[in-house]
Amino acid sequence: DAGVIQSPRHEVTEMGQEVTLRCKPISGHDYLFWYRQTMMRGLELLIYFNNNVPIDDSGMPEDRFSAKMPNASFSTLKIQPSEPRDSAVYFCASRPRVRNTEAFFGQGTRLTVV
Amino acid sequence: QQQVKQSPQSLIVQKGGISIINCAYENTAFDYFPWYQQFPGKGPALLIAIRPDVSEKKEGRFTISFNKSAKQFSLHIMDSQPGDSATYFCAASGRNFNKFYFGSGTKLNVKP
Repeated sequence: DAGVIQSPRHEVTEMGQEVTLRCKPISGHDYLFWYRQTMMRGLELLIYFNNNVPIDDSGMPEDRFSAKMPNASFSTLKIQPSEPRDSAVYFCASRPRVRNTEAFFGQGTRLTVV
Repeated sequence: QQQVKQSPQSLIVQKGGISIINCAYENTAFDYFPWYQQFPGKGPALLIAIRPDVSEKKEGRFTISFNKSAKQFSLHIMDSQPGDSATYFCAASGRNFNKFYFGSGTKLNVKP
């Protein structure tokens, strides 16, 4: 399996623009997670899905952030409008339904908002 | 409030030495304590993990020591190698394995 695939790897955008980050989880995994990593706050869980349904979005920082999972093989994290403080590395991770199993992380998308 | 506190922020160790990274937590509901290794440009990857019913777990050169009463756990890397140079994160979660709280990370540099 190719692992969790994220795109793009790098994104530079201007403040106020809409940004969409994409994730393809590992086939057969029921859970999908979006994390954000910054120097100041470390690695934070933003939202996670189970069988395409959002379960916990308490980590989503503001209404500017939204995430969707239209099917089992694709998820998006959207920021609209983007702000410089959104600059971070965004990771997607997935794990199977089996209990006591770890999530596998993608390589991340480095977002820079100027 | 940070649920898991990690120290040190950075660590320099000579090749062959022992690297020690410490973490502390407050929430007694945490039931699973993994350590992740992250290389530049990559996502975190599970290195080793422990449950609170044991005090130590060893996998090769990597050992987790767990002190339930003190609510502390640590990662020991024996015979550290330059290839171990990476950022290490401790984490904790409850039984559902879905909500992980990460430490702030330790950047390890192993000098040849």
